[in-house]
Amino acid sequence: EAGVAQSPRYKIIEKRQSVAFWCNPISGHATLYWYQQILGQGPKLLIQFQNNGVVDDSQLPKDRFSAERLKGVDSTLKIQPAKLEDSAVYLCASSFGGGSHYGYTFGSGTRLTVV
Amino acid sequence: GQQLNQSPQSMFIQEGEDVSMNCTSSSIFNTWLWYKQDPGEGPVLLIALYKAGELTSNGRLTAQFGITRKDSFLNISASIPSDVGIYFCAVHTGNQFYFGTGTSLTVIP
Repeated sequence: EAGVAQSPRYKIIEKRQSVAFWCNPISGHATLYWYQQILGQGPKLLIQFQNNGVVDDSQLPKDRFSAERLKGVDSTLKIQPAKLEDSAVYLCASSFGGGSHYGYTFGSGTRLTVV
Repeated sequence: GQQLNQSPQSMFIQEGEDVSMNCTSSSIFNTWLWYKQDPGEGPVLLIALYKAGELTSNGRLTAQFGITRKDSFLNISASIPSDVGIYFCAVHTGNQFYFGTGTSLTVIP
């Protein structure tokens, strides 16, 4: 079974630039999550999708972050404009259904460095 | 969000030694999870706990769900070099997962 695919693996940008990350979940997983993991901390949920609808985006900084999952499969997370404090690993995860850890699988992440 | 405090923050041990780490919260949870994150990878689920007082093993790993439902413990016996990584506790409430601050483990051959 293929895992959660994320790209790119690494990205370096200057502050105030824009950046986008892509995630393709495991086939059949209805729920998709984006996490931000700052160095030395645990992952923090940014947004959760159920199919193509947003379930929870309470911790997403909406002034600069946006995410979409238009067809209920893959998803993109965008930051515009980036700040230095956005430097982190952005993890995507997917699961069969919301609220369950069964089959909950993380991708390898995109490491973003903002200089 | 929920605050999960893990200790110790980091550990340096000799290969073959046993390891203990714990996770505490000010709130009660009904599901406790332990994940391991290798460098450059996403976290991978090690053990899930569903009942207060429950003790569950996965190979050399043993985890316990605290009786107060506010804490959990993870033990690794006879550590090996591939145990290196960051160990996170997590709780599941509603539709959300909350992760702890992590314990970084280094195993010296």
